Amino acid sequence: AQSVSQHNHHVILSEAASLELGCNYSYGGTVNLFWYVQYPGQHLQLLLKYFSGDPLVKGIKGFEAEFIKSKFSFNLRKPSVQWSDTAEYFCAVQTGANNLFFGTGTRLTVIP
Amino acid sequence: NAGVTQTPKFRILKIGQSMTLQCTQDMNHNYMYWYRQDPGMGLKLIYYSVGAGITDKGEVPNGYNVSRSTTEDFPLRLELAAPSQTSVYFCASATHINQPQHFGDGTRLSIL
Repeated sequence: AQSVSQHNHHVILSEAASLELGCNYSYGGTVNLFWYVQYPGQHLQLLLKYFSGDPLVKGIKGFEAEFIKSKFSFNLRKPSVQWSDTAEYFCAVQTGANNLFFGTGTRLTVIP
Repeated sequence: NAGVTQTPKFRILKIGQSMTLQCTQDMNHNYMYWYRQDPGMGLKLIYYSVGAGITDKGEVPNGYNVSRSTTEDFPLRLELAAPSQTSVYFCASATHINQPQHFGDGTRLSIL
């Protein structure tokens, strides 16, 4: 069965620190990959997506993610986090028609 | 542009009661989805619809029903509420199966 793993459950960083959140999935076929962000009290919003092409994708607010097919990974990165990045981050993998699997989420707390 | 609107935002039910969670979108999206998000878990798909009149089960459909009489509306029905259905419910919509989903603000449901 397909699964999405986000190994970091809670990450605490100081402002200006660099961020990398891990995402691994188990599926051997073609996938579409997403990172969603959920700010406190708000709904999920799309941060970035990968369908095909350049495996390094850039999203909103300075986030980027790299698809490494051989490692089944799609890690999220940001060179310098801000307090406003405090949120929960969800990796999602789409394996086919209406098969969108979410990871359990990583809570990011940025300390001013 | 309202996007995806869910009502109510909060609700407390007694065991055995029934209720309908409303979801409407004004983006003319054919694809609509219902997810539940349990604490510390990722989103799990309950039901989805690929267009008016067409619905299908997701990963965790038991205890729920849906209908899709119009493109805009995709209500989720709980017939006999059980404590296991305490969760946050998210509705989402998309233009196509390969496009990112737009999420509503969620409905927090507690069953006591």
